[in-house]
Amino acid sequence: AQTVTQSQPEMSVQEAETVTLSCTYDTSESDYYLFWYKQPPSRQMILVIRQEAYKQQNATENRFSVNFQKAAKSFSLKISDSQLGDAAMYFCAYRSATEYGNKLVFGAGTILRVKS
Amino acid sequence: KAGVTQTPRYLIKTRGQQVTLSCSPISGHRSVSWYQQTPGQGLQFLFEYFSETQRNKGNFPGRFSGRQFSNSRSEMNVSTLELGDSALYLCASSLSFRVGTGELFFGEGSRLTVL
Repeated sequence: AQTVTQSQPEMSVQEAETVTLSCTYDTSESDYYLFWYKQPPSRQMILVIRQEAYKQQNATENRFSVNFQKAAKSFSLKISDSQLGDAAMYFCAYRSATEYGNKLVFGAGTILRVKS
Repeated sequence: KAGVTQTPRYLIKTRGQQVTLSCSPISGHRSVSWYQQTPGQGLQFLFEYFSETQRNKGNFPGRFSGRQFSNSRSEMNVSTLELGDSALYLCASSLSFRVGTGELFFGEGSRLTVL
């Protein structure tokens, strides 16, 4: 079974600075997808960024980028120029690319606080 | 385009009762998944429905059940409620059930409190 670990329960960052959230995962599969989801206090989970395991290039979405290290099974999220609206719980998630279905395996989450 | 709609948003039940939660997916989406979110266990997959059939099931007792209707709307039911069932129940919809496709879109959740 796949597992996802987020070792940072809580992180803080000053507005306009950069922060990196860590995620490691364990799987025996070679093909899979990795995601970062954001859950603000309103509770609706929003997809931040996704990475296909077969792609060596790290995904980037505006101020959000990932550092995907397949051999190390590491998938960190970097948020540049942090904004107050980035404050939320961030979840790292795994999905198989070989099994049918949309089941996600989530990490425990990291609370990100942004200081003004 | 309307998002994923979950009702009710909040509810309070007592132990031993049962509860039914509803989820209306994004128009055109045929797959609906349910997750339980608690402070202790985090986000855990309950089950996924596609074309009115349960396709995947997580590791939850039989008290947790669900169904999907022909219009893709889904309901989940929890019978004989226990205190530990207090949680945020999230529904997510996706276009299809195919391998490796489909972004999940989440609803705002139903917050269940069991007293």
